[in-house]
Amino acid sequence: NAGVTQTPKFRVLKTGQSMTLLCAQDMNHEYMYWYRQDPGMGLRLIHYSVGEGTTAKGEVPDGYNVSRLKKQNFLLGLESAAPSQTSVYFCASTNAGGSYEQYFGPGTRLTVT
Amino acid sequence: GIQVEQSPPDLILQEGANSTLRCNFSDSVNNLQWFHQNPWGQLINLFYIPSGTKQNGRLSATTVATERYSLLYISSSQTTDSGVYFCAVAGGNEKLTFGTGTRLTIIP
Repeated sequence: NAGVTQTPKFRVLKTGQSMTLLCAQDMNHEYMYWYRQDPGMGLRLIHYSVGEGTTAKGEVPDGYNVSRLKKQNFLLGLESAAPSQTSVYFCASTNAGGSYEQYFGPGTRLTVT
Repeated sequence: GIQVEQSPPDLILQEGANSTLRCNFSDSVNNLQWFHQNPWGQLINLFYIPSGTKQNGRLSATTVATERYSLLYISSSQTTDSGVYFCAVAGGNEKLTFGTGTRLTIIP
């Protein structure tokens, strides 16, 4: 039981490049989330999903897109990376109707130069 | 949206000391969680506690929903308790709003 995993762990992009971050969970959770964490700040919600095939915007969605084609996977895309997107990205999942405890992946450190 | 304030922002303690971390929130909540982020960046869920009191070993938490605050108690601190503690709340159950955290440093 791996919990929540994220791929890749580190990435360096040039301005304007695109990439996709993959989150996978093996706990059969309904809800999944993407957050970003910047120095001195808490986590801010980018996008989230309450079930397969559904997505919704969070607090800071601009510049990002997401997809939830399979229940266990949640993808975060950057179409044209900007230096302001340099951050640590965390994925989380939770079981709807249960205790709603969120379980986090290990994070992806992204640097955009 | 709901505002979350955590205090103190930084706390430095000797090993063995006790500590109390506070989380104030601006509106009624259905969901409140405490997390520990260790020095390697991993976020661990400590408590789901929208109201009442829970204990897990040396850690305990109390949420007084009617007064819009929650407290996290750490007793007999150990160096492994170092890191950042986050409080996060939600008016529904879907989307959490995080505070900016309390950075705890335990000195051996």
